[in-house]
Amino acid sequence: EAQVTQNPRYLITVTGKKLTVTCSQNMNHEYMSWYRQDPGLGLRQIYYSMNVEVTDKGDVPEGYKVSRKEKRNFPLILESPSPNQTSLYFCASSVNNSPLHFGNGTRLTVT
Amino acid sequence: GDSVTQMEGPVTLSEEAFLTINCTYTATGYPSLFWYVQYPGEGLQLLLKATKADDKGSNKGFEATYRKETTSFHLEKGSVQVSDSAVYFCALRVMDSNYQLIWGAGTKLIIKP
Repeated sequence: EAQVTQNPRYLITVTGKKLTVTCSQNMNHEYMSWYRQDPGLGLRQIYYSMNVEVTDKGDVPEGYKVSRKEKRNFPLILESPSPNQTSLYFCASSVNNSPLHFGNGTRLTVT
Repeated sequence: GDSVTQMEGPVTLSEEAFLTINCTYTATGYPSLFWYVQYPGEGLQLLLKATKADDKGSNKGFEATYRKETTSFHLEKGSVQVSDSAVYFCALRVMDSNYQLIWGAGTKLIIKP
């Protein structure tokens, strides 16, 4: 089954404790992206990747890192999480003009 | 720059009511337009799309027509069901890009039996 898999679904952590949210897709998609969703703000893009070893900043990249060492994986790294990064995070992937495929989300709480 | 504006929610309707969720956009050139839906606890999924002026996208009883003259892409459904309760996002794809989307803020729809 074609899917984008994010882990974990829920994560509660403390300020400053490094964390990684994993994202994997099994559709051989070139494009992958991370978004955060906050009430009243819709989806805001954090980082995206057009292909392996190619990553670019989105609208709100501060405080986040990504890597794209393999086509299927696109982890989101928070080196020193802060409470303002409490949010619902989505990974998505796509290929040439096709619709975005989204994961089921990761709800992160930073205390 | 390009932008998408959706009506604020939540929108609360009774079952079998007529639904309209407004979406207007600002863009250079002729973007493609999309409606995505997010059911509770899930990621977004494409509901429908239109790629040029006067195109009508349709799916699951929902429709939206790409109106260039009013820069709008309003979502409509003739008779909503409880299962339509979700958050609906309007989006446009930036010209000359196969991937980059500009998103509206989302409209939460609540259907009461």
